[in-house]
Amino acid sequence: GAGVSQSPSNKVTEKGKDVELRCDPISGHTALYWYRQRLGQGLEFLIYFQGNSAPDKSGLPSDRFSAERTGESVSTLTIQRTQQEDSAVYLCASSLLSIGLSNEQFFGPGTRLTVL
Amino acid sequence: KNEVEQSPQNLTAQEGEFITINCSYSVGISALHWLQQHPGGGIVSLFMLSSGKKKHGRLIATINIQEKHSSLHITASHPRDSAVYICAVRHAGGTSYGKLTFGQGTILTVHP
Repeated sequence: GAGVSQSPSNKVTEKGKDVELRCDPISGHTALYWYRQRLGQGLEFLIYFQGNSAPDKSGLPSDRFSAERTGESVSTLTIQRTQQEDSAVYLCASSLLSIGLSNEQFFGPGTRLTVL
Repeated sequence: KNEVEQSPQNLTAQEGEFITINCSYSVGISALHWLQQHPGGGIVSLFMLSSGKKKHGRLIATINIQEKHSSLHITASHPRDSAVYICAVRHAGGTSYGKLTFGQGTILTVHP
């Protein structure tokens, strides 16, 4: 497809379970971001991947959160032992990053996570 | 104090009015983004700025690096412009080189 895709679009889980969210960036985009948006709140940065560089994990809220990206393709965000406060829309974005510049980001539709 | 502050938080306008949304930040940045989020939740990137001014259709974005301030202007506003407008700054270097910090958003409602 032409845009960033995410799956699943909705996920309902029980407290304590692990969840895995997937992001397929635009082909050729070297930069990939994960964000979180809780209900009625602003966007929060979680993690950033750029090519083969070490990811910027400075936004991950706890060690229950982790993310991986293989090369410049798919990324997965894993939340272990989910808590109710993890309920949010998780957004992925990708951009074509040129050295010395940051380009516009293209956002996916998000995964709405509900932890019961 | 938040690193990124937007004003106003809520803005109501009549169709055709000129609109300005402001963003001030307190950290060193490499770029500033303006995003639009529609009621359905979809997010669209409007502008990425590192200096000066950019224009796209009826939208104009400016940034003053020395004053750490950016503005988003909408000329001849239309009800379809109703959305949340979000300012985000990309931190300059260091270990948080990819981090974006977001403003709280400005809710714009344009009435016909």
